[in-house]
Amino acid sequence: DVKVTQSSRYLVKRTGEKVFLECVQDMDHENMFWYRQDPGLGLRLIYFSYDVKMKEKGDIPEGYSVSREKKERFSLILESASTNQTSMYLCASKRGSSTDTQYFGPGTRLTVL
Amino acid sequence: SQQGEEDPQALSIQEGENATMNCSYKTSINNLQWYRQNSGRGLVHLILIRSNEREKHSGRLRVTLDTSKKSSSLLITASRAADTASYFCATDPYNNNDMRFGAGTRLTVKP
Repeated sequence: DVKVTQSSRYLVKRTGEKVFLECVQDMDHENMFWYRQDPGLGLRLIYFSYDVKMKEKGDIPEGYSVSREKKERFSLILESASTNQTSMYLCASKRGSSTDTQYFGPGTRLTVL
Repeated sequence: SQQGEEDPQALSIQEGENATMNCSYKTSINNLQWYRQNSGRGLVHLILIRSNEREKHSGRLRVTLDTSKKSSSLLITASRAADTASYFCATDPYNNNDMRFGAGTRLTVKP
């Protein structure tokens, strides 16, 4: 079974802090994704990566950056956390075909105070 | 921007009844997928339907796709309390492997 793990289930940070969310997948998938999920808004794509060191902006990249130095790891970085970034963050991975399934991690619930 | 929109936002039924959820999307697609999310967890893939298919079955799930109307429906037959979850449709609107999700339908199945 594919396993996608995220570094923390719950995280509490203060406004202005730099925050790192880590995601690791164990199935050699080419593509990795970061979403945030908010009530009534569903999942919104922040960034995705289709290869090592490659990244593409999603629909809401402002205030975020990403890093993919190794194929299995995709990091989401909040350069200066703000209260409106309080959310559930979901990482996913999939192979290279559009018909492939996305596999999700359990999510990180981030609270910014 | 949101690619898919599920309807209704919330649905409450009794165990044994059928549940139907709808999804509308905006652009042409290669395929449409349905996912399920239990409360506070990640999403799990349920079923995929390709753009050249009109209907697909998997166990108690039936998915239809109408590309002319840019819509899909997910039917869960003989629902169980364990089906209580949020259901999302997802598409690949830009044909470059990035998936877009709707806001989801929250299904509650009462025992």
